[in-house]
Amino acid sequence: ELVLTQSPGTLSLSPGERATLSCRASRSLASSSLAWYQQKPGQAPSLLIYGAFNRATGIPDRFSGSGSGTDFTLAISRLEPEDFAVYYCQQHGFAPHTFGQGTRLEIK
Amino acid sequence: QDQLVESGGGVVQPGRSLRLSCAASGFTFRNYGMHWVRQAPGKGLEWVALIYYDGSNEKYSDSVKGRFTISRDDSTNTLYLQMNTLRAEDTAVYYCARDRLPYYYESSGLWSWGQGTLVAVSS
Repeated sequence: ELVLTQSPGTLSLSPGERATLSCRASRSLASSSLAWYQQKPGQAPSLLIYGAFNRATGIPDRFSGSGSGTDFTLAISRLEPEDFAVYYCQQHGFAPHTFGQGTRLEIK
Repeated sequence: QDQLVESGGGVVQPGRSLRLSCAASGFTFRNYGMHWVRQAPGKGLEWVALIYYDGSNEKYSDSVKGRFTISRDDSTNTLYLQMNTLRAEDTAVYYCARDRLPYYYESSGLWSWGQGTLVAVSS
């Protein structure tokens, strides 16, 4: 099973600051097989980024994805109050299609 | 606008069975691979199962393989998850999700999600 390790576990920042979230894979995967999801309390997850760097429909351009091989990053350039949530990476290139354990982005 | 509505959750004793359903609308169901993903209380997401758009293959997580079966009925636009020999560690909210691209084997990402149904395994 391909393991995804997200860091940090919790990130405390203020609105307007930049957030950088990491997702590291236990072995190399194609960029096309890496996605990021956002989950707000009491809600289902929603797709943010697919193919490592493509924003899903309606996602603002302050969200960006990058990376390749085993190291992937989600960046949020200027945090808005609605961005404080839990973020998960997922690989869907190798079954089982594993998720990282999540990064909680909280207001400082 | 995709709509996915899960049902069938509830409280069940260990060792018993339960079948979840997911009613899909707003898209051409038969063209898309479909998934189940679960989330234990206060925990992260765990991918559970995938069924190809044409029903030709299924994939499972190691934790449910041999106990759970994913299936689909394209005539009623419904996805199912048959869960047998349930354990306490299967307690979770179960989400169904649509794959991103049509006619795609394996997965291209989880485009839309239902609101989930809670399964609690307890004696």
